[in-house]
Amino acid sequence: RKEVEQDPGPFNVPEGATVAFNCTYSNSASQSFFWYRQDCRKEPKLLMSVYSSGNEDGRFTAQLNRASQYISLLIRDSKLSDSATYLCVVNDFGNEKLTFGTGTRLTIIP
Amino acid sequence: GAGVSQSPRYKVAKRGQDVALRCDPISGHVSLFWYQQALGQGPEFLTYFQNEAQLDKSGLPSDRFFAERPEGSVSTLKIQRTQQEDSAVYLCASSLTPFSGRTYNEQFFGPGTRLTVL
Repeated sequence: RKEVEQDPGPFNVPEGATVAFNCTYSNSASQSFFWYRQDCRKEPKLLMSVYSSGNEDGRFTAQLNRASQYISLLIRDSKLSDSATYLCVVNDFGNEKLTFGTGTRLTIIP
Repeated sequence: GAGVSQSPRYKVAKRGQDVALRCDPISGHVSLFWYQQALGQGPEFLTYFQNEAQLDKSGLPSDRFFAERPEGSVSTLKIQRTQQEDSAVYLCASSLTPFSGRTYNEQFFGPGTRLTVL
């Protein structure tokens, strides 16, 4: 079983719709959680950190459920520019490395 | 300011050749990471440096892979006797300081080197 699991998609969503991605992680010692965005043939870039209390950044909302070891990302009023692969990422306590999921590919359709 | 740079951006090697991939981290960044990203997959950790010290090499897939950062800045990932399964994008990332355990120091990624082994 992979440490971080995501539905690879693809998700094809009309412009303006709301879309949600989920991710599960297997290591209960994981302490930090993130969503990274990766455009085609580009490097990953940090989209947002994920906190237990939930956090929002404009149209993006991230949630963490430690009990269920589950992370989510919600995108409201989707834009064409949101088309990308969204990577769920965890960091384990005492460890510098990041562990990535396979990524969920999102395409926003005009 | 300048981000993480990597060279070459593309490398084609014949099976059995040795290759060297270079990473220039953001100036002043203490931590440096190498990741391998196969097609359709997320990046996978290879190795980690804090300054010149290689503190974690648990992700290196075989002894054909070797990384160094002799002066605590530029790093080189060397792959000896390349195999077709080594074909991937090799990403380098740097962060300002080691993860304190309380504050996340963002890892900034370079554009990657796309290695194709024929």
